[in-house]
Amino acid sequence: KNQVEQSPQSLIILEGKNCTLQCNYTVSPFSNLRWYKQDTGRGPVSLTIMTFSENTKSNGRYTATLDADTKQSSLHITASQLSDSASYICVVSLYNFNKFYFGSGTKLNVKP
Amino acid sequence: GAVVSQHPSWVICKSGTSVKIECRSLDFQATTMFWYRQFPKQSLMLMATSNEGSKATYEQGVEKDKFLINHASLTLSTLTVTSAHPEDSSFYICSARSQGSGANVLTFGAGSRLTVL
Repeated sequence: KNQVEQSPQSLIILEGKNCTLQCNYTVSPFSNLRWYKQDTGRGPVSLTIMTFSENTKSNGRYTATLDADTKQSSLHITASQLSDSASYICVVSLYNFNKFYFGSGTKLNVKP
Repeated sequence: GAVVSQHPSWVICKSGTSVKIECRSLDFQATTMFWYRQFPKQSLMLMATSNEGSKATYEQGVEKDKFLINHASLTLSTLTVTSAHPEDSSFYICSARSQGSGANVLTFGAGSRLTVL
């Protein structure tokens, strides 16, 4: 069964600290994995996209990793800011199919 | 990069009226668009898949006569909430599928907040 699981469900950190969010998937055949940031009351915005052959991709303070063998991805946020408070969603797409699988998201709260 | 525009961003209507939400892909053609609804503090829930030139595919439990979807062109899909009731109040989001370097990617609209009085 194709599934995407994210952990933790929620996370509270202090401003300036780093954190890592996890995404495990069983989707096959795999096409790509994308991390989105969703601010409250807004649509999700793409942070990174990774295909099968990519291990690491960075976007400013966001760094995503992908291990296609273990089917795990992580999103590392460096030097967190208050504006990082949001839900982070992992989405995995099937190869050659019009199908996307969503994780339930990690709610991050950055406190001053 | 791919941009999806969603309109209106918020709407308030009376119970019993119908509301139309538009989703446009601005700089790419999208044969497939998706509609979601999201309740406060909950995950996105896929409602239906909108295919250009054909009928939409609805997820289990979503009433197709209640949520009318039209995808008449490669850049526009519309969701009409018919005879809206207060329980239809929610955040509705669309996304469009595009292909970059051969990979399927999803781009989301900014969402539409519907409040039914």
